[in-house]
This record gives sequence, C-alpha cells and structure tokens, in this order.
Amino acid sequence: SQQGEEDPQALSIQEGENATMNCSYKTSINNLQWYRQNSGRGLVHLILIRSNEREKHSGRLRVTLDTSKKSSSLLITASRAADTASYFCATDATSLNAGKSTFGDGTTLTVKP
Amino acid sequence: DAGVTQSPTHLIKTRGQQVTLRCSPKSGHDTVSWYQQALGQGPQFIFQYYEEEERQRGNFPDRFSGHQFPNYSSELNVNALLLGDSALYLCASSSLDLTGGLQETQYFGPGTRLLVL
Repeated sequence: SQQGEEDPQALSIQEGENATMNCSYKTSINNLQWYRQNSGRGLVHLILIRSNEREKHSGRLRVTLDTSKKSSSLLITASRAADTASYFCATDATSLNAGKSTFGDGTTLTVKP
Repeated sequence: DAGVTQSPTHLIKTRGQQVTLRCSPKSGHDTVSWYQQALGQGPQFIFQYYEEEERQRGNFPDRFSGHQFPNYSSELNVNALLLGDSALYLCASSSLDLTGGLQETQYFGPGTRLLVL
C-alpha cells in the first residue's frame, strides 16, 4: 500500500482562488516532496521539505510539514488555469533511501478560467 | 543541458512477450530509479541503479530486471508480460554522494506508456 495519501482526491476551483492539498503518511521520514503531473506525463519536482523543517516557500507555493501528525500540506496561491494537474506527495524514509520515494495516489486539481 | 530522456514513448506488446525500456539520466547524474504508474494511481518504486548495480528494490517480482551502463544510462526489462503490467513507466535520475551527503531531488523523464494486450 502507498505510504502517502493525498486529500482531497479531486479539487475544483476558480482562477485566482487558493488551492490547498493535504498529504498524510504512516512511518517516519527523512524528507517529503511534492510533484506535479500533467495528463499522464512525467512528474515535475515542486518542493522538497526535510523532516527538521516546518515550512518552505517557492513562488506561489507554500508547503508545511507536521511530523508529529505525519502530515503535509501544499498551498497554491492565486491559482491559474495552467495549474490544472495532478499533485503528488512522496516520502523518502531515510537518507540512505534517497530516490526510493513512496508516492500517494495524488490530488487532481482543476482550475477553471 | 538535456534532461532525463526515455525511449520509446509508447509501446504495445502481447502477453508473454518481453520488453526493454531505456533511460538516459540528466547530465551530471549518476543514479537512476524506475517507477511504474498505473492509471489513476501514484508511481510505485521498482528499483534504483547506482554504480552499475541495483542499490534498492521495491516490491516487484523477478520478471522486472534492469541494468545500468558505464555512461549511467539504464534499461528496464520486463519478461513474461502480463495484462497488469500495462502502465506508464517513469525513469528518474539524481546524484548520490554517499560520503558527502545526498542530493535527494529526483528529475523525472516523460515516461514510456506500455500497453499489454
């Protein structure tokens, strides 16, 4: 079974609104990463947050990590139609497991123009 | 600077056949990981190659095997194909430095979509 679980499975918003996606995982981790995937193509890496970090920003993206609750959230502010995609969280258990990422089944985001 | 490339982009096989997928990592990367992504699901880790050897393996049967060449490119081989092997196969590259710390960011290729009939 997958380590990470994204919530919600699907999200539909209007352009300009904020989108929040959540991810929960089961075991301790070294880091957590968020990826975007357009229409079954390759994954694009968005942000990596380490287990000793609580928040990271990249442009319109904000990621939080709560290791006590084994959860993370991805916030996309001022969404655009081009943000329409599937978003996945992935975890690496330890630094020695780098590259052996465990993915959830993703959140499908639709941004309506 | 070329990113991760994969070939072929699409492939159709029949049950029982064998298939070989290829991946060239991003320039400067020495580690290749392979993932299988079924429709509507997240990617699942198959295995990882580093220094031409399998370094880590996921929960996949021995029908799935791989190879890494001296130039760091990699192949994924699947024998005795089953209908359930139909999926998008993703290759990801990264750079591992086991002495000086790890660079964990992986860069994914566009994938090979395999259909088994």
